[in-house]
Amino acid sequence: GDSVTQMEGPVTLSEEAFLTINCTYTATGYPSLFWYVQYPGEGLQLLLKATKADDKGSNKGFEATYRKETTSFHLEKGSVQVSDSAVYFCALGLTGGGNKLTFGTGTQLKVEL
Amino acid sequence: DTAVSQTPKYLVTQMGNDKSIKCEQNLGHDTMYWYKQDSKKFLKIMFSYNNKELIINETVPNRFSPKSPDKAHLNLHINSLELGDSAVYFCASSQDRLTEAFFGQGTRLTVV
Repeated sequence: GDSVTQMEGPVTLSEEAFLTINCTYTATGYPSLFWYVQYPGEGLQLLLKATKADDKGSNKGFEATYRKETTSFHLEKGSVQVSDSAVYFCALGLTGGGNKLTFGTGTQLKVEL
Repeated sequence: DTAVSQTPKYLVTQMGNDKSIKCEQNLGHDTMYWYKQDSKKFLKIMFSYNNKELIINETVPNRFSPKSPDKAHLNLHINSLELGDSAVYFCASSQDRLTEAFFGQGTRLTVV
């Protein structure tokens, strides 16, 4: 079945450090890929997306590139801030199998001064 | 002008009770969802509706019954609540399965 695997957290970084959160997927079709962010006590918000191979999604300094050859969609940011502390979810959406997003387990990021 | 709104935000109730959570979206989307988030933040889809029709029912106990009176609303009714039902329940909507989903703020259900 379709699945998303994310690196386990929590990830703790100092402010201005480089961030990578790994995400790989298994899918039988050609999925769209998403990163969502959940700040404490809030719902999920879309951070960025990519709909086909080699697309790069970017937003608020975060980037992720859809790599079909490695079935990956790793999230990166060059310089994190304390305000980036949140839980990050990788997800995929497919044309078949009904209308749903399949989420990874989430990676908690904590950024310290 | 909240895009996806769900009520209540917090719900504390005793085992055995019946409760409902309401969800409304004003985005004109065709598809709505219910997700359950457990204490470890794991998100699992429960139901998906497309234009008021049930599309997905992911092995959810039949104590959980979604109802979609129109495509802008998807309510969740839970009968005979159990301790294990304690979680955060998120409503979401999307135009289709390939575009992003917009989430509500969540309903934290605590069963005591």
